[in-house]
Formats: sequence, structure tokens, C-alpha cells
Amino acid sequence: EAGVAQSPRYKIIEKRQSVAFWCNPISGHATLYWYQQILGQGPKLLIQFQNNGVVDDSQLPKDRFSAERLKGVDSTLKIQPAKLEDSAVYLCASSFYEQYFGPGTRLTVT
Amino acid sequence: LAKTTQPISMDSYEGQEVNITCSHNNIATNDYITWYQQFPSQGPRFIIQGYKTKVTNEVASLFIPADRKSSTLSLPRVSLSDTAVYYCLVGGPEGSGNTPLVFGKGTRLSVIA
Repeated sequence: EAGVAQSPRYKIIEKRQSVAFWCNPISGHATLYWYQQILGQGPKLLIQFQNNGVVDDSQLPKDRFSAERLKGVDSTLKIQPAKLEDSAVYLCASSFYEQYFGPGTRLTVT
Repeated sequence: LAKTTQPISMDSYEGQEVNITCSHNNIATNDYITWYQQFPSQGPRFIIQGYKTKVTNEVASLFIPADRKSSTLSLPRVSLSDTAVYYCLVGGPEGSGNTPLVFGKGTRLSVIA
């Protein structure tokens, strides 16, 4: 069974630039999550989708972060403009029951 | 959301049984207890989930007392490859669409040869 795919794996940008991350969940998983994990901390949920509807985005900084899940499958997370404190690993997960995580995208903002 | 408290770190020798305890004093009636494992540079991986008493799978056991205010993840005969961060979460259950699970800082387990 193919796992959760994410791209790119690494990204380095300057502050105030924009960046986008892509996630392809496991086939058949209706629920998709985006997490931010800062070094030394546990993952922090940014947004949760059920099919293509948003279930929880209470911790998403909506002034700069946006996410969409078109057709209830793939999803993109965008940051515009990026700040230094956005440097983190961005994890995508999908679930039917337990969550399956992708390898993450390591973002460095300089 | 129910808050969890775990030790920051633990050390163990290979071959020993490791027990990681998690406190969740304000767990709600509908909440489940779920444990994830995370290796460096990887996403977390589901280990086990339970509601009460004892749950066992091929990887670990989860012990939950009657008051459900704490739980213990038991890893039998650990090896070097079990070195990872272990997260205790309450909520869900997974897949229910209920209370989302919140990751804390986890317990960093170091297994020594």
C-alpha cells in the first residue's frame, strides 16, 4: 500500500517569500491533516479536512497560511509571506482510523 | 482538550521492558488514549489505542486503570531501533471525527546497548 506522499522534501526561502507544499494522501482516506512541527516539539495541528471540507482550522494563522483540498484528494498548504518563525517541518497525514503520516517537508526561512 | 503529561526522557538497556506513563487527569468520558512513535526525520507512526483496561498488539501493550486518569505504554524487550520519541494523546477515537488529538512534547526514549 502506498503511503502519504509529500513534496518537496526540503525548501529554503527568504522571509517574505511564498511557498507551497503538496500532499497526496493514501487512497480512500477521507480525512487529511496538516501539522507544523518545530524542532524539539510535538506536531501542532494546523488544519483538518474531511473530504474537501474543513473540520478544524482553529490553529491555522489565516493571515498568512492557506490550505485547500480540491476534489477531496490532494491538498496544498501555502504560506504567504513567510516569516522566520515558520521554519519547521510540515507534516501531512491521512486517516481512515489511525493517522498515517508522510515524510514531511523541512522548511527553512532565512 | 485533555492535557497530557509525560516524562521528557527515559533511558533503557537493550532487552529490558520499558514502561512510559502518561497522566491525563481531565480525560473526558468519550476520549480514547492513543500512542504514537516518531523516529528522527520521519512522521509519527501509530502504535496503539485503547479506552480502558488493557490492549495488546504485536508491538506494545497499553494499560489503563479504572479511573483512566493515567495510562502506561509497555514496550517488551526493547532494541536499539526502539530509540524514538513516544507521544501520548487523548481524544478521538481516531477516525471518529470527534475531539482532535493534540500532540504534546512526548517522551524521548534512548535504548543503550
